[in-house]
Amino acid sequence: ETGVTQTPRHLVMGMTNKKSLKCEQHLGHNAMYWYKQSAKKPLELMFVYSLEERVENNSVPSRFSPECPNSSHLFLHLHTLQPEDSALYLCASTGGAGMNTEAFFGQGTRLTVV
Amino acid sequence: DAKTTQPPSMDCAEGRAANLPCNHSTISGNEYVYWYRQIHSQGPQYIIHGLKNNETNEMASLIITEDRKSSTLILPHATLRDTAVYYCIVSNYGQNFVFGPGTRLSVLP
Repeated sequence: ETGVTQTPRHLVMGMTNKKSLKCEQHLGHNAMYWYKQSAKKPLELMFVYSLEERVENNSVPSRFSPECPNSSHLFLHLHTLQPEDSALYLCASTGGAGMNTEAFFGQGTRLTVV
Repeated sequence: DAKTTQPPSMDCAEGRAANLPCNHSTISGNEYVYWYRQIHSQGPQYIIHGLKNNETNEMASLIITEDRKSSTLILPHATLRDTAVYYCIVSNYGQNFVFGPGTRLSVLP
């Protein structure tokens, strides 16, 4: 248990569905991240939030929409996804800029788009 | 892109030390070296990190060369449960961890 909780753990959705992934941490961290890990590939950094503001968006398609309502919660809203978006989506948190802390990862959401 | 290079795979006999190398020749002065591992598509697990001194904790030891251009993660007595993909990452004050392909360590009975 890392202190970072992701829900749901598994999700199957159709290409016309809208769903959301949730990440929650109560570690007092102020930076949160979304990563995507496709089969047999390294983790790809998608979004970075620091103090609830998005500071990085690594050319992620607009069908992925992040939301960070407060420093403890991070969402990834999904709509009109493609089968190639099927992957493990991982959330992480760190202390934030200027703080030398390791990143704590959730267990991920295994997403399958059909 | 990741700032580190690691061998794609390694084998280690159970009970022996596993030594995993990492090259980070472009590391800057304020960047730390972090090691994580990922077991069977679970979330990555933090192992250890350091700046320039060698570090040891209950999981592993980290040896960083004096010029900081490379490092070695040492698992002193590898077990079957240490079979995983090990990632070496350089990061500025714990920001924006960028993962490479890592080293797939197989611990053999």
